[in-house]
Amino acid sequence: KNQVEQSPQSLIILEGKNCTLQCNYTVSPFSNLRWYKQDTGRGPVSLTIMTFSENTKSNGRYTATLDADTKQSSLHITASQLSDSASYICVVSEDRGSTLGRLYFGRGTQLTVWP
Amino acid sequence: AAGVIQSPRHLIKEKRETATLKCYPISRHDTVYWYQQGPGQDPQFLISFYEKMQSDKGSIPDRFSAQQFSDYHSELNMSSLELGDSALYFCASSLVSRRTNYGYTFGSGTRLTVV
Repeated sequence: KNQVEQSPQSLIILEGKNCTLQCNYTVSPFSNLRWYKQDTGRGPVSLTIMTFSENTKSNGRYTATLDADTKQSSLHITASQLSDSASYICVVSEDRGSTLGRLYFGRGTQLTVWP
Repeated sequence: AAGVIQSPRHLIKEKRETATLKCYPISRHDTVYWYQQGPGQDPQFLISFYEKMQSDKGSIPDRFSAQQFSDYHSELNMSSLELGDSALYFCASSLVSRRTNYGYTFGSGTRLTVV
């Protein structure tokens, strides 16, 4: 069964601190992995996309890593800001050949940044 | 550049009524996906279309139907609405020919409330 599991479920940090979110998946065949930021009641907004051959990718204060062998990914947020408070969702896409496969969503890590 | 546009943003309907949600993909994207996210729930895949043909079907109730039109926009029609249909419905679009480097961009969603 294709699954995506994230940890921790929730996280509270102080403004300016760094944090790391984890994502483990069993989706196969694997196409790519994305980290999204989702504010309450809104659609997910893409932060990074990782394909099989990519190990690290950065987008501003966000750095994602991918270990395709162990099927693990992490999202590191540096110098957190109050606006980073949101749900961070790991989404893995399966490979279906000529068409894009389904997305499998983690349950998200609810990040709260306190002043 | 314009992203994925969904309309309406919010919709309130009574039980047994009908609702139509619209999704306008990014220009030149040829694939549309629909997801349903209940309060505190994981997004659930409903249905997808590629080049105006249904490409995949998930947990979409028989009361729902969808199609993709010649201009690639998609509509999700929901009949005999039930209280449990209250959720955030968001769509994503992608360009299949670049599936490894581009892909899902999500709309902000339509918040459907059934009363």
